[in-house]
Formats: sequence, C-alpha cells, structure tokens
Amino acid sequence: KQEVTQIPAALSVPEGENLVLNCSFTDSAIYNLQWFRQDPGKGLTSLLLIQSSQREQTSGRLNASLDKSSGRSTLYIAASQPGDSATYLCAVFNSNSGYALNFGKGTSLLVTP
Amino acid sequence: DTAVSQTPKYLVTQMGNDKSIKCEQNLGHDTMYWYKQDSKKFLKIMFSYNNKELIINETVPNRFSPKSPDKAHLNLHINSLELGDSAVYFCASSPSGTPETQYFGPGTRLLVL
Repeated sequence: KQEVTQIPAALSVPEGENLVLNCSFTDSAIYNLQWFRQDPGKGLTSLLLIQSSQREQTSGRLNASLDKSSGRSTLYIAASQPGDSATYLCAVFNSNSGYALNFGKGTSLLVTP
Repeated sequence: DTAVSQTPKYLVTQMGNDKSIKCEQNLGHDTMYWYKQDSKKFLKIMFSYNNKELIINETVPNRFSPKSPDKAHLNLHINSLELGDSAVYFCASSPSGTPETQYFGPGTRLLVL
C-alpha cells in the first residue's frame, strides 16, 4: 500500500526566502508525481507533474525534483511571496491504484511580508 | 466558467439523516472521483467512476454510494449520517487516457451534528 509523507507539516518564512518542501513515498513503482496547491475554501490546483522517467519540472519560481529510486521528491520555491501562502500537497499516481491519486497530508506554508 | 462544480458548498445536518452532494463537470471528461479530506487534512480516494467501471475504496462504508445520471455528473449519496462523516468532500474529473490529470471541485464542507 502506497504511503505518502510530507515534511514539514507547517512552515513559516519571511518574504523573499527560498524554501524546500519534502515528499516521500513508500512504493517506488509510481507512474508520476504531482504537486498541488490548496487554498482555504477552494479546490486543488495542480502546480507541477513529473513523470516517472523525469528528474525534474520547472514552472516559474517553482521547481520540483523526483528521485524515484529513493522514493523522494522536493518542491523548491524561489523568492517566496505572501501570495504563495497555502497548503502544498504531494500526490503520487500508481498504475494499480484504480486511477486514484495518493496524497500526503500537506505542508502548510505561511510567507510573511 | 467553472470546470468542476459542487453543490452545496456547505452542508450542516443531524446524525441519522440522508444527504446528497452533487458534482458536475463541463470538461467532457470520462472519469470522475470523490475524495474525502478529514479533520487531519488527509485527502483519500473514495470512488473512481467512468461509464465502464466503478472502483470503490474498500474502507468506504456502504452508507456512501455514487450515482451517475450521465457522464457529466457524479453525485454522492450518504445514508444514516454519522459524526465521523464530517469532512470536506472533493469531486474531481479526468480525461480519458490521462487519469492522473485530475481537476478538482471547490469542495463541500459537511458537518454532522
């Protein structure tokens, strides 16, 4: 059974800092991994998707890496802004999971002005 | 235009009642999902469904049942509501061939008193 863990559970940083969020998963036979953003009272927005054959993906100030063999992924946020404050969820997709995404519990990020 | 919509946004009800949450997607997707996010913020799959196959998470009580009147809708019926059913329920959909690309609704916050 796939288990996804995210560290830290919560993080507070001053504006402008670079930061790293961590995700680990127990079953390395994944199809891909995604990072989502969840804002209070709203749904989830996909930020980056990394296929199992890829090592990283970049979008603007966000960079996600994947080390499938060790079961780890990181989300790097450069030059953080108050608008980045949200919960960030890591989710893995296994081909044998009935099409479901397996989520971690998320990292709650607060960027202070 | 809202891609995946859910109604109601908030639902407060008494134990023992039967309630439904509606989900509609206007993306033309073939597969729809229901996820539950509990008080610890853990998002877990409840069902995945397309016109060919219903996959149920074995931990979901049979008081929960998905109903799909057509491809664009997947409603969630809950019978004999219990306190532990209080959570945020998210609907999602994905296109044929890329089940990992899931678009989420804004969530329905259910509180059982």
